[in-house]
Amino acid sequence: EPEVTQTPSHQVTQMGQEVILRCVPISNHLYFYWYRQILGQKVEFLVSFYNNEISEKSEIFDDQFSVERPDGSNFTLKIRSTKLEDSAMYFCASSEAGAPNEKLFFGSGTQLSVL
Amino acid sequence: AQSVTQLGSHVSVSEGALVLLRCNYSSSVPPYLFWYVQYPNQGLQLLLKYTTGATLVKGINGFEAEFKKSETSFHLTKPSAHMSDAAEYFCAVRWGNNFNKFYFGSGTKLNVKP
Repeated sequence: EPEVTQTPSHQVTQMGQEVILRCVPISNHLYFYWYRQILGQKVEFLVSFYNNEISEKSEIFDDQFSVERPDGSNFTLKIRSTKLEDSAMYFCASSEAGAPNEKLFFGSGTQLSVL
Repeated sequence: AQSVTQLGSHVSVSEGALVLLRCNYSSSVPPYLFWYVQYPNQGLQLLLKYTTGATLVKGINGFEAEFKKSETSFHLTKPSAHMSDAAEYFCAVRWGNNFNKFYFGSGTKLNVKP
């Protein structure tokens, strides 16, 4: 089965630093997502992306966050100035279309630790 | 408000015993229901989903779930647990009026004892 790949698997950074989390969605997919899971808490929606623009974002996704599809394969999440509370597992996901009955394919996640 | 609740953050069963993981949702619109599994150091993998039609849904690895509208539930079951079933299981719901995002439950860690 095709896979969503995420790099790096672990990222450690100092508070206030910028981080970029990278994802390669499945090649024929058109919808892209970022989710995060703080340790011991629910998996939370951050943002969805379609046709080179954000289609929806949550209240978590403030001005410190941005997403980009810089080329035909990568989908990145940037956090400009990391905070301690940004420490979490970040999951990228993609789907072929945006139908509500369609499943999302998730990557294995990037564990971000902000010190 | 729309929400998803998983009862029991940890469930422990013996190998060969029935697995029952509970999921309830609250919503006034029809849901699309999913169960995902996360093995250690891996991403979320779809087990099964309910969209329309038959309310008993069969998934991979012998799991199944039944959508009960009257109980607003979508519990996950497996007749006989295997050691390889040890993982974290997430119930997720998508609603037709806002299909951009999934609402996830808080997850249930399944431990299988030999």
